[in-house]
Parts: sequence; C-alpha cells; structure tokens
Amino acid sequence: AQKITQTQPGMFVQEKEAVTLDCTYDTSDPSYGLFWYKQPSSGEMIFLIYQGSYDQQNATEGRYSLNFQKARKSANLVISASQLGDSAMYFCAMREGSGGGADGLTFGKGTHLIIQP
Amino acid sequence: ETGVTQTPRHLVMGMTNKKSLKCEQHLGHNAMYWYKQSAKKPLELMFVYNFKEQTENNSVPSRFSPECPNSSHLFLHLHTLQPEDSALYLCASSQDEQGAYEQYFGPGTRLTVT
Repeated sequence: AQKITQTQPGMFVQEKEAVTLDCTYDTSDPSYGLFWYKQPSSGEMIFLIYQGSYDQQNATEGRYSLNFQKARKSANLVISASQLGDSAMYFCAMREGSGGGADGLTFGKGTHLIIQP
Repeated sequence: ETGVTQTPRHLVMGMTNKKSLKCEQHLGHNAMYWYKQSAKKPLELMFVYNFKEQTENNSVPSRFSPECPNSSHLFLHLHTLQPEDSALYLCASSQDEQGAYEQYFGPGTRLTVT
C-alpha cells in the first residue's frame, strides 16, 4: 500500500489564483512529520513547508500553508496568489518517527503544477 | 543554492563501466542520503548515513556501493549497471537533532546507462 498518495498528476491554474495540492498519507506511527517539496525543471528539490504530527496549528511559510487534517490523514498544500514561477513538480513526503535521527523520507508521485498567465 | 553540491551533473556510462557520483554538503550536517528518481515513479530512498555510519540500505542492489568518508562527503560508486538504473540520483543532508527535520537536496546527477 502506498504511504503517500497524491491524486492529481497535473493541474493548470490561472496566475494569481489560489491552488490546493492534495496529499493523503498512511502510517500507524503516532509520531511523524509531513513535508512538501518543489522540484523545478532544473531538478533540485526545494523544501517548502513542514508539519509535525503533534503540531496544534497548521504550518505556514509565506504564500504556502499546509491544511493538516489528522483524522482524515490529509496534508494538503495551499499556495496563495499563484505566480508563474510556481510552475513545477510538487511532492508530498513523510518521515515516520519522532525525528532527532537520520530518517529517510517517503515521497508521493508528485503533482505537476502549471501556472498560466 | 542549498549548500549541497553534486558532481557530475550528467553522466553517460556503458554497462561495463565503473564510475562514481560525488556529493558534498557545506551545511555542517551529520546525516546524508542517496535517493533515486526514475521517470513516473516516486523518489526512492537508497542509503542513509549518520555520522559516517550507514544506518539504512533500502534493499539496493550491490552494483551500487556507497561511501561516506566524513560527514561532509558522500559517494555512490557504480559498476556493471543496467539500463533500468538510468535515473536522477539525488543527494540530501540533514542535521541529526530533535526538532531539525528538513532535508536539503543537491541538484542531482542525471545518469544514463547505455
């Protein structure tokens, strides 16, 4: 079974509109972390935002926010006021365990976001 | 620039060649990782090193041989690869301490096996 599911292979969005990228996860570990990364065509993975399983509030970083719904095991990324430079692949990832150790991440298949002028 | 560099950026090799990928991080981190990104597949974790010690080998074939001489450098030695090993190989690093969580990735090496 997939641990990270991203159901949107591709999305087209008009510039300046808000975007929601879906991510659901599966784990039995009570302690985990959820991440979103952006991968432009250059290939480098850029860290966007993090949400810990015990965090009470949804994470926010500038135009990025994470809509964390723990009971539904959902961690959607919201990008406000989209820009042309937001066009890229977006990956949801999870680390199981409480951190403080070198733990590999499990990634979803990604969503290809294209912002149209 | 994330502070993680990888060389070479592109590599074409035959199935009988031996080559090495290099990763260097300038962030003072102590954990380093190799990931493989194949077309139409999620990133796959290959190896994890923490304070130079390998802590995870995600069932990677022995034709991939990692080496971590110190916390700043990580190598992936390649020999007798198969065409299906063609992929983007990404290196990452992180700080091994409670509360630190994000992994910083390098730009990757695009490997083509002919």
